[in-house]
Amino acid sequence: QYVLTQPPSVSGAPGQTVNITCTGNSSNIGAGYGVHWYQQFPGTAPKVLIYGNNIRPLGVPDRFSGSKSGASAFLAIAGLRAEDDADYHCQSFDSSLRSSVFGGGTKLTVL
Amino acid sequence: EVQLVQSGPEVKKPGESLKISCKGSGYSIANLWIAWVRQMPGRGLEWMGIFYPADSDTRYSPSFQGQVTISADKSLSTAYLQWSSLKASDTAIYYCARQALGISGDDYYAIDVWGQGTAVTVSS
Repeated sequence: QYVLTQPPSVSGAPGQTVNITCTGNSSNIGAGYGVHWYQQFPGTAPKVLIYGNNIRPLGVPDRFSGSKSGASAFLAIAGLRAEDDADYHCQSFDSSLRSSVFGGGTKLTVL
Repeated sequence: EVQLVQSGPEVKKPGESLKISCKGSGYSIANLWIAWVRQMPGRGLEWMGIFYPADSDTRYSPSFQGQVTISADKSLSTAYLQWSSLKASDTAIYYCARQALGISGDDYYAIDVWGQGTAVTVSS
């Protein structure tokens, strides 16, 4: 079981916008801890896409954006491209577990 | 530029012990927080724990406490993840990663450097 909940899959056509939700509780996202998002392609290590809720590292296109509201965080991917077809994982800190925690991951399929 | 280079794939039998490694390349890991992350086949990421070689501060996720041991050798700039008795359910890819401690000293920043992963297969 994952502490943070993500939809197993989402899909969209090229050019569309998709949103991936990461839902936590009052011990993690709802407590104000930062949320980070990672992109992972099959057979490779994840790569940070968004950190601290909404900050893009250098080199990440501005098509990717993050936000947070209450105990949920959101990753939006605008102008979908075929190369966005990948797995996306959210991460935060949980004060009850005193551990960093991940969501179960979301498989994005670009139709 | 910090790079983390992990040891190669392992195939083990249930009950055997194992120690996999993660070496800092181009930079000493002595003052880095090094986390370990598990990814079981077809599954998401799981944070196992974290280690700070400078003072051996070790923090485990409750799910992994007592199941694995995280350590490091500062002089070799190498971190380790070890099992004393493997189970089939330990079959997974294990990543080491750099994850800085947050300002509060309790939480963590995002992982910004990942090793390439070590595949561990446990099968009789």
